[in-house]
Amino acid sequence: KQEVTQIPAALSVPEGENLVLNCSFTDSAIYNLQWFRQDPGKGLTSLLLIQSSQREQTSGRLNASLDKSSGRSTLYIAASQPGDSATYLCAVKGTAAGNKLTFGGGTRVLVKP
Amino acid sequence: EAQVTQNPRYLITVTGKKLTVTCSQNMNHEYMSWYRQDPGLGLRQIYYSMNVEVTDKGDVPEGYKVSRKEKRNFPLILESPSPNQTSLYFCASSFGTSGRNSYEQYFGPGTRLTVT
Repeated sequence: KQEVTQIPAALSVPEGENLVLNCSFTDSAIYNLQWFRQDPGKGLTSLLLIQSSQREQTSGRLNASLDKSSGRSTLYIAASQPGDSATYLCAVKGTAAGNKLTFGGGTRVLVKP
Repeated sequence: EAQVTQNPRYLITVTGKKLTVTCSQNMNHEYMSWYRQDPGLGLRQIYYSMNVEVTDKGDVPEGYKVSRKEKRNFPLILESPSPNQTSLYFCASSFGTSGRNSYEQYFGPGTRLTVT
């Protein structure tokens, strides 16, 4: 059974510092991995999608890497801003039927001005 | 604008009173799904649908029903809600009629349900 872990559960950094968020998964047989942002009480905003054949994906200040063999993904956010404060979730799409995404518990990020 | 919409966004109800949470997408996606999010348990899949008239159970289907009569809509039905169904519910959609594809999934804004 696929398990996804995000450590740490919470992170606080000063504005301008680079953010490094970690995601690990137990079963390397995945189709893709998605990173989401969730603001308190709000929906999930898709940030990046990395296909299983890709090593990394970039969008603006965001860069996500994927090492499928070791079961790890890292989301980098450059030059963090207070507006980056949110919970970041990673989710893997495995080979099980149903297109199910298995989510990590999330990392709650606070960027202090 | 491409989006997944849910209604209502907030709902407080009483035990046993049937309710429906609607989900609609305008991206012509074949696949739609419902998740619930609970503290400490994360997001868990309730039901999913590969296409019109094709639905199946996810990990936590007990107490829920779904239907997929049209491609764009995938309502979640709680026939007799109970307090343990108090949760934040998300609808998601993507392309793909196969359970094994790699399309990005898009999520709605969520419905916060409280059952007293």
